[in-house]
Amino acid sequence: KNEVEQSPQNLTAQEGEFITINCSYSVGISALHWLQQHPGGGIVSLFMLSSGKKKHGRLIATINIQEKHSSLHITASHPRDSAVYICAVKRSQGNLIFGKGTKLSVKP
Amino acid sequence: GAGVSQSPSNKVTEKGKDVELRCDPISGHTALYWYRQRLGQGLEFLIYFQGNSAPDKSGLPSDRFSAERTGESVSTLTIQRTQQEDSAVYLCASLPQGAAGELFFGEGSRLTVL
Repeated sequence: KNEVEQSPQNLTAQEGEFITINCSYSVGISALHWLQQHPGGGIVSLFMLSSGKKKHGRLIATINIQEKHSSLHITASHPRDSAVYICAVKRSQGNLIFGKGTKLSVKP
Repeated sequence: GAGVSQSPSNKVTEKGKDVELRCDPISGHTALYWYRQRLGQGLEFLIYFQGNSAPDKSGLPSDRFSAERTGESVSTLTIQRTQQEDSAVYLCASLPQGAAGELFFGEGSRLTVL
């Protein structure tokens, strides 16, 4: 079993829809990162979480440390949100472990 | 610099040649990671440096791969006797000390082995 599991693997949505991407992990962590990679593009950090909730524009990220679960929400989705979203956890002992990513496609 | 800098951005080499990839992390970032991303695939961990601690080399796929980092500065990833399956984008990321920092990635070095 992977130490970081993301779901869904692929997601297609219509413009304007509310989107949720989930990340579950099985190791002790000091932080969790949500990253975005557009097709052919670099990897950009969206959020770093160690507890609670963060919001940036239409993006919201939450983490439940007890349940070892995080969610990334996109409100009022737009075609430019189409990208791969990656969850990464920083282990308490230091290394980063990545999920396999969620490929999001938002149709106009 | 303002971000993580990697060079070269593109490298085409012949099978059997050695290549060296460079990563210049954000100043003050003690943690440095190398990952590999094959076309259409996820991120594959290679090696992790944390300050002056011994690096975590558990992700290096073979003894043809090695990496060095001097203190908390530049890191080089060396691939000896390159093979076609080494073709990928090699990504470097850095983090500041402690858990509270944002993760920054370089743009990657695209390696093509002919």
